[in-house]
Amino acid sequence: ETGVTQTPRHLVMGMTNKKSLKCEQHLGHNAMYWYKQSAKKPLELMFVYSLEERVENNSVPSRFSPECPNSSHLFLHLHTLQPEDSALYLCASSQGRGAAYEQYFGPGTRLTVT
Amino acid sequence: DQQVKQNSPSLSVQEGRISILNCDYTNSMFDYFLWYKKYPAEGPTFLISISSIKDKNEDGRFTVFLNKSAKHLSLHIVPSQPGDSAVYFCAARTNYGGSQGNLIFGKGTKLSVKP
Repeated sequence: ETGVTQTPRHLVMGMTNKKSLKCEQHLGHNAMYWYKQSAKKPLELMFVYSLEERVENNSVPSRFSPECPNSSHLFLHLHTLQPEDSALYLCASSQGRGAAYEQYFGPGTRLTVT
Repeated sequence: DQQVKQNSPSLSVQEGRISILNCDYTNSMFDYFLWYKKYPAEGPTFLISISSIKDKNEDGRFTVFLNKSAKHLSLHIVPSQPGDSAVYFCAARTNYGGSQGNLIFGKGTKLSVKP
C-alpha cells in the first residue's frame, strides 16, 4: 500500500468526451505530480504542484487541465483528447520537492481514447 | 533527447544468480539517482538511491554503483529471486533551479528471474 490512490483504474473515452482522473494521497505530503507513460517511452512529467500551487507545466497540451483543490487531492481534467493520448497516467506525491524527498506513486489510470 | 538511458529492454537471469541492470545518463548536473521497481497493474515503487557524492550504496540484496566519470550507474541484485521479476526504472534528478526534484526516467528494463 503506497498511500496514493487513483480512480478510475481504467478509462475508455471517445475524442469528444470530457472526463476527470482523480488522485488522493494519505501521506501528508505537500507536492503532487502527474506523469504520463506511453508505450515504449519513459515516464514523462506533466505537471507539478507544490503547496497547491502549480509550479511546473511541462509543455502539456491544453486538452489536459490539472486541478489541485487541496494538498491531498489532485485531478486531471480531460477534454477532446486524441488517440495518441492513450497511455498510463500516474500520480505521485512527495514531502517536498528537493532531491532528498522520495516520490510515492499511485497505481495509475490506464486511459484508452477511441 | 533522452537524458537517462536504459539500453537493455529486458534481462533474464536464473534464480540465485546476480542480476545487473545498467543505466547511462548525459546530464552532468544530476546529483541524485534512483531505482524504481514496477509490477504489472501497480505504480512504480522506490527501491534504492545514491547521491552523486558516493560511488556505492547497499541495501540488503540490492547495491547501486555510480561511475560519475563514465556517467553510468548499475543496480546489482544478488541473489536474484523470482519475486524480483518486474520492470526496473532508472531515474535521475537535480537539486537546483526550477526543476529541482523533478525525476527524469529511463524507459525501463524488464527483469525475469527463472526458478
